[in-house]
Amino acid sequence: AQSVTQPDIHITVSEGASLELRCNYSYGATPYLFWYVQSPGQGLQLLLKYFSGDTLVQGIKGFEAEFKRSQSSFNLRKPSVHWSDAAEYFCAVGINTNAGKSTFGDGTTLTVKP
Amino acid sequence: EADIYQTPRYLVIGTGKKITLECSQTMGHDKMYWYQQDPGMELHLIHYSYGVNSTEKGDLSSESTVSRIRTEHFPLTLESARPSHTSQYLCASTDRNNEKLFFGSGTQLSVL
Repeated sequence: AQSVTQPDIHITVSEGASLELRCNYSYGATPYLFWYVQSPGQGLQLLLKYFSGDTLVQGIKGFEAEFKRSQSSFNLRKPSVHWSDAAEYFCAVGINTNAGKSTFGDGTTLTVKP
Repeated sequence: EADIYQTPRYLVIGTGKKITLECSQTMGHDKMYWYQQDPGMELHLIHYSYGVNSTEKGDLSSESTVSRIRTEHFPLTLESARPSHTSQYLCASTDRNNEKLFFGSGTQLSVL
């Protein structure tokens, strides 16, 4: 069975600084990878996904993520964080493109300092 | 964008009560899902449906039940709520390609 680990429970960055959120997965075949953002009191919103092809994927809100098979990682990045990015971020891995059957990580809470 | 609605947003009830959490979507999506999320924890799939009259249990065992009588409606029921059921419940659906999940805002359930 697949699994996903988000090593950082909580990250604090200053507004305007760059951001990287880590995600490591475990799955024997080609994974299907997702990043979601959850604002307080809201459901999750898809930021980006990787199924195949270019390993650097662009998402909404200026986020990008890079799939590195050798490291079993799918880290999320943003060059300049805005205060509105404060939220919880979830990485998810699936065994096919059916997003609903994904396995989710524990999440990383992002705090943005002014 | 899909619209998916969950009610109530918050629910505080006593032990032993029967409750139904409502979930509706207006995009005609066939596939719908219920997840349970404890604070600071990952989402766990507890139920899913691939269409009318189709329901399956998810990866996490749950005492709740679901029904899918209409495409747009996927309610979750607890016959006798207990404090261990206290959690956030998120409803979601996927588009035709199944590649994107659309989430509702969730129901925060507290059982006293």
